[in-house]
Amino acid sequence: DSGVTQTPKHLITATGQRVTLRCSPRSGDLSVYWYQQSLDQGLQFLIQYYNGEERAKGNILERFSAQQFPDLHSELNLSSLELGDSALYFCASSVDSGKEQYFGPGTRLTVT
Amino acid sequence: AQSVTQPDIHITVSEGASLELRCNYSYGATPYLFWYVQSPGQGLQLLLKYFSGDTLVQGIKGFEAEFKRSQSSFNLRKPSVHWSDAAEYFCAVGARNYGQNFVFGPGTRLSVLP
Repeated sequence: DSGVTQTPKHLITATGQRVTLRCSPRSGDLSVYWYQQSLDQGLQFLIQYYNGEERAKGNILERFSAQQFPDLHSELNLSSLELGDSALYFCASSVDSGKEQYFGPGTRLTVT
Repeated sequence: AQSVTQPDIHITVSEGASLELRCNYSYGATPYLFWYVQSPGQGLQLLLKYFSGDTLVQGIKGFEAEFKRSQSSFNLRKPSVHWSDAAEYFCAVGARNYGQNFVFGPGTRLSVLP
């Protein structure tokens, strides 16, 4: 158990819908990262937050957004969902930028 | 910005054989280096990390990795592979810079023959 929790574990929704994925980092970790993993794209970095502020942005679509709250939990919002958004979404946390990340179990999103 | 390559997409070894997975990085200074393992449908688990000091680092599950600055490499090794080691292995580079400060390699899939 990495100490990082993600909810929900599975999510099935229809195209055009909006969903919110939630992540709670390990105790003491200030940084949260979001990743998307699909069979054809591999592990793609989406966005990083550090202590509530956006620190780095990767291949995140405009339809996606994230935030980190004062209690350090983070949410990833995915809107106008398309079939191609079906993937595993991972959250990871670390004590500081560049240091080891600890991954949550992931949320499997299926868009039908 | 840093980058990571893992030259082998897929490796197959027999159970009990030794294993070496290759990782090369590009970064101007000494980076933080990591190896992760991912079993199907699971999250990534940290195997080991290198920040500084002894260039040979020991990790969990009997894995070790050696940092070679001259070759910009951080190869993962295990002397005797078990069937349960079959998984995807990711090398990663971390750096203390703003912007994308943690980069994963594309991964190497390890298959183990009985």
